[in-house]
Amino acid sequence: GQQVMQIPQYQHVQEGEDFTTYCNSSTTLSNIQWYKQRPGGHPVFLIQLVKSGEVKKQKRLTFQFGEAKKNSSLHITATQTTDVGTYFCAGLSNSGYALNFGKGTSLLVTP
Amino acid sequence: DSGVTQTPKHLITATGQRVTLRCSPRSGDLSVYWYQQSLDQGLQFLIQYYNGEERAKGNILERFSAQQFPDLHSELNLSSLELGDSALYFCASSRDRGYTDTQYFGPGTRLTVL
Repeated sequence: GQQVMQIPQYQHVQEGEDFTTYCNSSTTLSNIQWYKQRPGGHPVFLIQLVKSGEVKKQKRLTFQFGEAKKNSSLHITATQTTDVGTYFCAGLSNSGYALNFGKGTSLLVTP
Repeated sequence: DSGVTQTPKHLITATGQRVTLRCSPRSGDLSVYWYQQSLDQGLQFLIQYYNGEERAKGNILERFSAQQFPDLHSELNLSSLELGDSALYFCASSRDRGYTDTQYFGPGTRLTVL
């Protein structure tokens, strides 16, 4: 079945450094969504990408969907302590009915 | 606050027991999803209901079952509980069938099986 893999599993950065997490699928995705889960909290929707090669920005966050629609990335510029949490990508395959979540990348930002 | 409510917040029970987790979706949302989150497995999709009907099934064990009622709230029933069932159980809801919908997650129910 379709699998969505995320790397790295953990990332520890100093405040102000950049951060990137990558999401790869074994099959073509019809769309990909990104969620953030703060420690002790629940996943919160960040964004959805649908088109091949799509790039979307939210302030310091940049999301990309690969040309082949099999991979995606989330890049945070100049991290802040408020960026701490686990970032999940979730992909919907072309033949699927439900989102498959990656295992997430846990980001720790130290001041 | 996502608008999705889940009860109870915490549940502690013994192996072999049966529990019911409850979820109320956001007002107007027709789909309800159940997820299991454990430390080593991440977020595992269990099952989706849309307007009272089962829509999609994920890695849900036969010991687990769910339903969505006419008022659109949903219940997840876990029976013959094992230690490995200890996890956070999230419910999420979305406006429609879910192909491209945003999912809004509830605060979760933390289940501990002793």
